[in-house]
Amino acid sequence: KAGVTQTPRYLIKTRGQQVTLSCSPISGHRSVSWYQQTPGQGLQFLFEYFSETQRNKGNFPGRFSGRQFSNSRSEMNVSTLELGDSALYLCASSRELAGSTSYNEQFFGPGTRLTVL
Amino acid sequence: AQSVSQHNHHVILSEAASLELGCNYSYGGTVNLFWYVQYPGQHLQLLLKYFSGDPLVKGIKGFEAEFIKSKFSFNLRKPSVQWSDTAEYFCAVNTDKLIFGTGTRLQVFP
Repeated sequence: KAGVTQTPRYLIKTRGQQVTLSCSPISGHRSVSWYQQTPGQGLQFLFEYFSETQRNKGNFPGRFSGRQFSNSRSEMNVSTLELGDSALYLCASSRELAGSTSYNEQFFGPGTRLTVL
Repeated sequence: AQSVSQHNHHVILSEAASLELGCNYSYGGTVNLFWYVQYPGQHLQLLLKYFSGDPLVKGIKGFEAEFIKSKFSFNLRKPSVQWSDTAEYFCAVNTDKLIFGTGTRLQVFP
């Protein structure tokens, strides 16, 4: 079974630009979460999508947004890029068993490394 | 707000030494607890998880962790580390979202 894939793997942008990152979850997984990883802050939760709806959101400004499509693929968008947005952006998917109250394990992709100049 | 603390930021060990990485969380309700590992150049992957039941959980590659509810802790242990355990280790807590600690960088020297 193919893992979580993220495109592009590397991206260089300049301040003020916007960027769209893409994530394809593992087949059959309906939940997609996004995280920002930086050396100083570690891994921080951005948002989670399930069945095309944002189910949870972290403490990031409105410049960070996302969406999920009917095939569970997800995109995140960052507008008006700032230098501090340089980070590794990780996507994770999980299966969400019907009727299960247990948390489902998240499987992570390789990330998109965004550099803002 | 929920938070996760990893007290050891950088640990250096020789092969065969024992390892214990600390993890404490702040949340009063029911939690699910995880340890993830990120080997150099690789994806984050799950080492082990605790949902309920036996508080001593065993994961991959000889790792184990003990959930101590009264101490809000979920420390990771391995009796004898190998050079291949060199990686960054993240403790995480799930309430309604997954909250990670800042990570511990482990370096194991032969």
